[in-house]
Amino acid sequence: GQQLNQSPQSMFIQEGEDVSMNCTSSSIFNTWLWYKQDPGEGPVLLIALYKAGELTSNGRLTAQFGITRKDSFLNISASIPSDVGIYFCAGPAGRKLIFGQGTELSVKP
Amino acid sequence: DVKVTQSSRYLVKRTGEKVFLECVQDMDHENMFWYRQDPGLGLRLIYFSYDVKMKEKGDIPEGYSVSREKKERFSLILESASTNQTSMYLCASLSNYGYTFGSGTRLTVV
Repeated sequence: GQQLNQSPQSMFIQEGEDVSMNCTSSSIFNTWLWYKQDPGEGPVLLIALYKAGELTSNGRLTAQFGITRKDSFLNISASIPSDVGIYFCAGPAGRKLIFGQGTELSVKP
Repeated sequence: DVKVTQSSRYLVKRTGEKVFLECVQDMDHENMFWYRQDPGLGLRLIYFSYDVKMKEKGDIPEGYSVSREKKERFSLILESASTNQTSMYLCASLSNYGYTFGSGTRLTVV
C-alpha cells in the first residue's frame, strides 16, 4: 500500500531557529496535507496543498508540494515555544488519509 | 465548528477485557474513522465507516471491530484487550472541508 516517509523523526532546536521537515512517498499524491498535534490533543490541519509546485504560507509556516508529486516540505521560521508538538504530513487515498510517522519538535526557550 | 468528542481521555483495562471506545460528531458527517497512534509509526487506520451500518477495514483491523448504529456515533471495540493494544486512539470525521479529529483516548492494557 501507499506509504509516507517523514523525516526527521525528532528535532531539538533553540527558540528563534528555523525548522525544516519533509515527507516522501513511493507513489503520487494529488493533495498534500500538513497537521500539527499539540500535546494531549488531536491533529489540526495547518496547510493543504493541491497543485504540484505549489508554495503556500500560513504565518510563519511555509509548505511546498513537490514537482514530482511524491514529496512535500514544511518550513517553520523563527520558532517559538508554542511550536512544540508533533507535525504530520498526510495524503488522501480514496476516503482514507495516510499519515507519515511524524516529526516531534522541541523548542528550548 | 465541527466537534468530534471521544468519551474518555484515559482508560486502563485488564488483559482479556472487552473495551468500548466511543466517538460522537455533531455535524451529520457520513465518513468517520478510527486511527491508532504509536511513537515512530504515525497514525495508522484501523477501521472507517462511510454510512450507518457500513464499515471497511483499514490497515490494521486485527483485534478490533466497530459499530455504527447511528450516524453521529462510531464505536471501536476491542473484543479481548491485549497489552499490544496499549496506544493512543484517535477518532476523526470527514466533511468537504477536511478531517476533524477528537482529542484522543489513551488506552493502557495491563
